[in-house]
Amino acid sequence: NAGVTQTPKFRILKIGQSMTLQCAQDMNHNYMYWYRQDPGMGLKLIYYSVGAGITDKGEVPNGYNVSRSTTEDFPLRLELAAPSQTSVYFCASSPTGPGEQYFGPGTRLTVT
Amino acid sequence: GENVEQHPSTLSVQEGDSAVIKCTYSDSASNYFPWYKQELGKRPQLIIDIRSNVGEKKDQRIAVTLNKTAKHFSLHITETQPEDSAVYFCAASIPEYGNKLVFGAGTILRVKS
Repeated sequence: NAGVTQTPKFRILKIGQSMTLQCAQDMNHNYMYWYRQDPGMGLKLIYYSVGAGITDKGEVPNGYNVSRSTTEDFPLRLELAAPSQTSVYFCASSPTGPGEQYFGPGTRLTVT
Repeated sequence: GENVEQHPSTLSVQEGDSAVIKCTYSDSASNYFPWYKQELGKRPQLIIDIRSNVGEKKDQRIAVTLNKTAKHFSLHITETQPEDSAVYFCAASIPEYGNKLVFGAGTILRVKS
């Protein structure tokens, strides 16, 4: 199993550009999550999904959108990138119920 | 909503000594408390977790204790080694839709050899 994969690993965006961060998992997990981690800080939940077709906002959803058309994929869309969105983005998945969240390797995004 | 506070923010210990990191949470309904270790430039990885029906759990040199009444839980690392140097995050699970985790701000642990 590849586990949770994310692309790209690194990206530099100009202010106002848009992009999609890709996340996929091959563990047949129902729950998926997007976090951002600012330098020297903890993880903040952006969006999460409990299954295909179902998404909901986390703590810091402004400036982002998600979709979940399949169990495997959970892309994160940034519209009109701003410097405040410079961060490391982690995708995670977990089976249904409280338990371990498995993290992807992260995407380091810089907006200048 | 749930709030998780973590202390200390940095911790330096001598190799072989013990390290203790403490977290408090605000939502008494939280029922799952994981600890993640994150090495520089890497993804967070689960090292130990505890559920609300258990008071203590141990895995080799690592242990976690939970006090539901006081709403706090702690990570204990004994016989620390240089490879234990990393950032450690506690978290609490919100037992509603989606089992979301709320993370503490992290503790930088440095083990000096």
